[in-house]
Formats: sequence, structure tokens, C-alpha cells
Amino acid sequence: GESVGLHLPTLSVQEGDNSIINCAYSNSASDYFIWYKQESGKGPQFIIDIRSNMDKRQGQRVTVLLNKTVKHLSLQIAATQPGDSAVYFCAEMGAGGTSYGKLTFGQGTILTVHP
Amino acid sequence: EPEVTQTPSHQVTQMGQEVILRCVPISNHLYFYWYRQILGQKVEFLVSFYNNEISEKSEIFDDQFSVERPDGSNFTLKIRSTKLEDSAMYFCASSDRAGEAVKYFGPGTRLTVT
Repeated sequence: GESVGLHLPTLSVQEGDNSIINCAYSNSASDYFIWYKQESGKGPQFIIDIRSNMDKRQGQRVTVLLNKTVKHLSLQIAATQPGDSAVYFCAEMGAGGTSYGKLTFGQGTILTVHP
Repeated sequence: EPEVTQTPSHQVTQMGQEVILRCVPISNHLYFYWYRQILGQKVEFLVSFYNNEISEKSEIFDDQFSVERPDGSNFTLKIRSTKLEDSAMYFCASSDRAGEAVKYFGPGTRLTVT
């Protein structure tokens, strides 16, 4: 079955450093991936998404890279700030992007940014 | 910024009792979802709802669960006879189109079953 998982459960960085959070997926038919940020006591917050016809997508201070060959994606956060401290989840939404919002989430990585 | 709201923020109930979790999706959205997150675990899909019917549901969403859109603004999740393992955060979400990432999650309702 499908599964989306993370290599590292925790990541600790200094303010101003760049952060890289990794995610592996197992379903080679997966074609739509999303990164979410979850702060304590809050719901998931959309960060950025990428479809399988791309290998890189950039947002504000964030970049998602997709390597379909090894079924791996990563989230890069530039100039990490204390406010970036949260749990980061990768998620996959239904092969073909036809699923009605059925997200399959990974386990999450805890990012801690030290001032 | 539009937002999804949920009530209550925390619900404590006894095993075997019925609970209704309430959500107000973003007003022009047509697709509605419930997800849950057991403490310390990943977020899990429960159900999606469109055009007054369930579009998809997971194995978790058994006969004890039901969803309803009783009026033009609310979206509810009912658990008929709660079990200890139903204790979790329940997140409502909504979107205005299918096939796109779910971008709007509510703050969640923490359900504690004792």
C-alpha cells in the first residue's frame, strides 16, 4: 500500500541557517506532494506543493525538490527563523490527483530553531 | 484571511457516549474533510464530502462515524458510541476545488474519551 515517511524525526538548527527536511514515499504512482507545517495546538498549515511533472518548486524562503527516481522529496527553508519551529509533514494526495482531498501524511519532522 | 473554525476546542466524553464535532468551513468552499491525529502520531484522513454526500472514506471511518452538512454553513462529524481509541485531535478542512492540496485546516477539536 501507499506510505509516505520521513528520514529524520528531529532537526535542530541555528537561526539564520538553512534547513532541509526529507521525506521518502513508496508509491511510484504518486504524483502530487504537499508540505505542511504544524505548530503546537494548531491544524496543519499548507506550505508548498509540487506535482510529479516538476522536480523543483520555489516559494517564499522555501524550496521543494522532488526526485522521482529515488522517490524522495525535500523541503528547504532558507534563513531559518525561530518562528519556523514546528512539525513538518510531507503528504501525498492520491495518484493522479483525482482523490477528493485524501491526503496520506508522513510521520513528521520536528524542526527546532535556536536563536 | 479566511479560516475554518471548529467547536468545541476540547470535548471530554465517556466511553460509549455520542459526540458531535462541529466545523464551519470557508463560505464559498464546496469540498469538506475530516482528519484526525492521535497524540504524537501522523495526521490521518477520515472522510471527504462533496455535494451532500461522502466522496471518499478511510478504513477508520466505520459505521460509528457519520458526517452531515445540516445547513449552509456547518459540517459535523458524529461518533455514535465513542471508544477510548477515538481520543485524538480532529481536524476539519475545506477547499474550493478537487485535485488540489487541502490548504485550509481548522484548529482542531481535542476529543478525550474516558
